[in-house]
Amino acid sequence: SQTIHQWPATLVQPVGSPLSLECTVEGTSNPNLYWYRQAAGRGLQLLFYSVGIGQISSEVPQNLSASRPQDRQFILSSKKLLLSDSGFYLCAWSVHTPLEKLFFGSGTQLSVL
Amino acid sequence: AQTVTQSQPEMSVQEAETVTLSCTYDTSESDYYLFWYKQPPSRQMILVIRQEAYKQQNATENRFSVNFQKAAKSFSLKISDSQLGDAAMYFCAYRSGGFGNEKLTFGTGTRLTIIP
Repeated sequence: SQTIHQWPATLVQPVGSPLSLECTVEGTSNPNLYWYRQAAGRGLQLLFYSVGIGQISSEVPQNLSASRPQDRQFILSSKKLLLSDSGFYLCAWSVHTPLEKLFFGSGTQLSVL
Repeated sequence: AQTVTQSQPEMSVQEAETVTLSCTYDTSESDYYLFWYKQPPSRQMILVIRQEAYKQQNATENRFSVNFQKAAKSFSLKISDSQLGDAAMYFCAYRSGGFGNEKLTFGTGTRLTIIP
């Protein structure tokens, strides 16, 4: 069966420090991969999605970047965190069929202080 | 770009009663898919129900059903016989039907409270 791993679960970082969040998927190949951010009490904002290795689409120009070095690995990064980067980050995957649902990771709560 | 609007930030309903959550969307496409996701306090995202735009029949999953009005671009969720476990944030979402456009756009959510 397919599983998605996202870590860490909680992260506290100072302003100006770098960030690396990792997400891996098991049990499937060539998935679509997504990074979403959820600010406190708000909806899900799509940050990046990828339909294949090395293919990254950015939805929101900002302080973050994403990479897909392997088929089932999706990394969210920042060189210098801002206070506004705080939030709940969710990784998700899906197959390449529009009707199929997204499978979400358990999320990372990032607090930038 | 497609947008999804949920105009009710919060809703409450008595246990065992029926509640309807609203969702509207804006698109110029004719082929698309709509979803309702639930996010309980655990923050795990759970698919509740989905609808293909080309289907006129409203989707139903047990106590959950939708009222899909394509011309009005409306996709509301009805929860019948509300249970305490239904308390959660509910998100409406849109996905284009075209391959190569793989993103899922979410609304801002409605927080549903169940009153015992």
